Amino acid sequence: GEDVEQSLFLSVREGDSSVINCTYTDSSSTYLYWYKQEPGAGLQLLTYIFSNMDMKQDQRLTVLLNKKDKHLSLRIADTQTGDSAIYFCAENQQAGTALIFGKGTTLSVSS
Amino acid sequence: DTAVSQTPKYLVTQMGNDKSIKCEQNLGHDTMYWYKQDSKKFLKIMFSYNNKELIINETVPNRFSPKSPDKAHLNLHINSLELGDSAVYFCASSLGGGRDTQYFGPGTRLTVL
Repeated sequence: GEDVEQSLFLSVREGDSSVINCTYTDSSSTYLYWYKQEPGAGLQLLTYIFSNMDMKQDQRLTVLLNKKDKHLSLRIADTQTGDSAIYFCAENQQAGTALIFGKGTTLSVSS
Repeated sequence: DTAVSQTPKYLVTQMGNDKSIKCEQNLGHDTMYWYKQDSKKFLKIMFSYNNKELIINETVPNRFSPKSPDKAHLNLHINSLELGDSAVYFCASSLGGGRDTQYFGPGTRLTVL
């Protein structure tokens, strides 16, 4: 079945880069997403990438996709304390279908 | 101008009660979803509706019944609440068809005592 795996914790210092990794098993995954959840809040869509792309950059965020290894990463440049949150990797095979989520990576940023 | 809204934000109730959570989106999207987030933050799909028609119905107890009166609303009714139903329930919507992304509501934290 479909599975999405993430490491559970990442701790960085303010100003450093953070890299959150995700692996997925479904080779037919077409869309891959990163969501951010701050404590007690909902899920905020950060960015997404389609399977025909290798990289996407959006301000401080860089998404890299290695389809061969089924590996997705999210790099946050110049990490700030406000970036502390849980980051979820998610995938689906086509638009309008359910998202399959990883268990989330808790990013802790210290000043 | 909230895109996806849910009410209530918090719901505390006794075991055995029946409760409803409402969801509304003003994005003009065709597809709406309910996800459950458990105490370990794991998110799992429950239901999905497209233009008021049920398209995804995961293995969820029959006590959970979604209702979509129109494509902008997807409500979740839960009968005979159990302790294990305590979770955060998220509603989401997407445009449907083509390349779209899902936008989530703020969540409803349900606590069953």
